[in-house]
Amino acid sequence: DVKVTQSSRYLVKRTGEKVFLECVQDMDHENMFWYRQDPGLGLRLIYFSYDVKMKEKGDIPEGYSVSREKKERFSLILESASTNQTSMYLCASSFRTSGVEVYEQYFGPGTRLTVT
Amino acid sequence: DAKTTQPTSMDCAEGRAANLPCNHSTISGNEYVYWYRQIHSQGPQYIIHGLKNNETNEMASLIITEDRKSSTLILPHATLRDTAVYYCIVRVPSGSARQLTFGSGTQLTVLP
Repeated sequence: DVKVTQSSRYLVKRTGEKVFLECVQDMDHENMFWYRQDPGLGLRLIYFSYDVKMKEKGDIPEGYSVSREKKERFSLILESASTNQTSMYLCASSFRTSGVEVYEQYFGPGTRLTVT
Repeated sequence: DAKTTQPTSMDCAEGRAANLPCNHSTISGNEYVYWYRQIHSQGPQYIIHGLKNNETNEMASLIITEDRKSSTLILPHATLRDTAVYYCIVRVPSGSARQLTFGSGTQLTVLP
């Protein structure tokens, strides 16, 4: 079974703190994603990575950065946490083939971050 | 990506089949239909995908109409653990990473 794990299920941080969210997958997937999910707004992509050290901005990258030093690990960094970053953060990974692919994304359990 | 329309909510008796419809009338020829679900307080879970033919796996069956304008996800013997929001997504697979766009989905409640 594909397993995507996230470092914390629940996290409470103060405004201005630097926050690290870690994601690890064990299926040798090339693609990894960070989303946030908010009521009424659905899933929104923050960043994704299609290879080690490669990253691309999603729809809402402002206030976030990412790091992918190893294939299995993708980190999301909140440089200076703010209250509007209180959300559920979801990591996902997927296999990538050459050419046209039909792939599914596998999600971690999520981290519910509260910034006070 | 084509727009999808799903009912807001459905109920199903435990042990019965749950049939979740999805309309995607603007689907184009190279777009696939994907289904995911999200159990409360958990990450989304992939269920199944298809292009034209009906598909079945250990979790569910996917029935796509001949004109591909709609599809139905079937959970053959629903259990209480199948209570979740079910999302139908229509998109073109591509060689580059692309995000999934979830609509509002259908809240399926399996009743004892």
